[in-house]
Amino acid sequence: IAGITQAPTSQILAAGRRMTLRCTQDMRHNAMYWYRQDLGLGLRLIHYSNTAGTTGKGEVPDGYSVSRANTDDFPLTLASAVPSQTSVYFCASSESDSSGANVLTFGAGSRLTVL
Amino acid sequence: GQNIDQPTEMTATEGAIVQINCTYQTSGFNGLFWYQQHAGEAPTFLSYNVLDGLEEKGRFSSFLSRSKGYSYLLLKELQMKDSASYLCAVKDSNYQLIWGAGTKLIIKP
Repeated sequence: IAGITQAPTSQILAAGRRMTLRCTQDMRHNAMYWYRQDLGLGLRLIHYSNTAGTTGKGEVPDGYSVSRANTDDFPLTLASAVPSQTSVYFCASSESDSSGANVLTFGAGSRLTVL
Repeated sequence: GQNIDQPTEMTATEGAIVQINCTYQTSGFNGLFWYQQHAGEAPTFLSYNVLDGLEEKGRFSSFLSRSKGYSYLLLKELQMKDSASYLCAVKDSNYQLIWGAGTKLIIKP
C-alpha cells in the first residue's frame, strides 16, 4: 500500500537524549515535511525538503535537524530532547513544493514524550 | 501576523447538516484546504478551493470568498463516522501552509 511510514509510533524519552524519528514514503513525491501538532494549536511546520538533497526551515525549527539523502527518506533528529518537544510529530509528502493543489499525504504520526 | 480562525468545537445530530466556518488573515492567498482528522490518526485531504464559490464532493461541500477571507465546510446527512476534527489551512504568498487549530465535530445519535 502506497503511503508514508513513520517510526516509532510512540516513544518516551529522557531529557537530554538524542532521538531520530524516521519517515519513509513510497510515492516518489518530491516534497516532504515534518510537522508537530499540539493541543489547541494548528499544525506547525518544523522543516521541509522540496527535493532530495535540499532542506529548509519551517516555523519552529529550533532543536531539530533533518536530512534528505534520497527521495524516499526524511528523518527528523532531536539532538538533545527537552520537555517542550513533547508532541505528536507528523511526516507528510506532496508531489511538488508549492504550485496548485499539492495535497499533503500524512504518515500516522509519532507520539513523543520527553520527561 | 497570519491567522486562521475556526470554532474549537461543534455538536450536531446524526442525519443533520453542519457548517464549519473558517476565517483567515494571511499574507497573500494561493488556495484553501480542508482536512479531516479522526482522533489519534493522520489528517486526510477533503477539499481545495482557490476560486470563489462552492465545490461539492458527495456529502461534503466547501465554499470560499476571497474578498471576505472566509470559507466554510458543509457536511450533509451526518453520520457517526463524521465525528472528527476538521482542519482549515491556507497557502500564503510564499506557498507555505498556515493551519487553523481545527474544529472538533461531535455527532450525537
